[in-house]
Amino acid sequence: DSGVTQTPKHLITATGQRVTLRCSPRSGDLSVYWYQQSLDQGLQFLIHYYNGEERAKGNILERFSAQQFPDLHSELNLSSLELGDSALYFCASSVFGRGTGELFFGEGSRLTVL
Amino acid sequence: GDSVTQMEGPVTLSEEAFLTINCTYTATGYPSLFWYVQYPGEGLQLLLKATKADDKGSNKGFEATYRKETTSFHLEKGSVQVSDSAVYFCALWASYDKVIFGPGTSLSVIP
Repeated sequence: DSGVTQTPKHLITATGQRVTLRCSPRSGDLSVYWYQQSLDQGLQFLIHYYNGEERAKGNILERFSAQQFPDLHSELNLSSLELGDSALYFCASSVFGRGTGELFFGEGSRLTVL
Repeated sequence: GDSVTQMEGPVTLSEEAFLTINCTYTATGYPSLFWYVQYPGEGLQLLLKATKADDKGSNKGFEATYRKETTSFHLEKGSVQVSDSAVYFCALWASYDKVIFGPGTSLSVIP
């Protein structure tokens, strides 16, 4: 158990819909990262938040957005969903500014868009 | 930009065989290097790491040495087990902002 909790574990929805994925980081970790894992794209970095502020953006579509709340949990919002958004979305947390750069991953949220 | 390249899979080995998974990287500065492993149905977990040139990371019988001159961080294990079947990701951390992963190499070990 990594200590990172992601909900929901599975989600099935239709094209055009909007979903929210939630992540609770390990106790004491201030950084939250979101990654998308798909068969053809591998593990793609989406976005990184540190203590409520956006730190880095990767290949995140404009239809996607994220935020980190004062209690440090994070949400990834996916809107106007397309078939190609079907993937496994991982959240990871880490100690930022000190430590080794190790990421602790949740078990992922599997999104299926029909 | 920073990137990681690793050997294409899938790799299939017999139990007790020797494993090598090649990884090379491109980065400015002096990145930290990692191997992560993903078992079926699970998230990624750190297998081993090295933070500077010539460091050797090791864990669970796996080893990798940070070679700056060849920009490589190859993963090795002397005798694989069925329980080692998983997807292995090479990764680099060049800044505090993000970790960049390679495409992953799927390993299947057969009895």
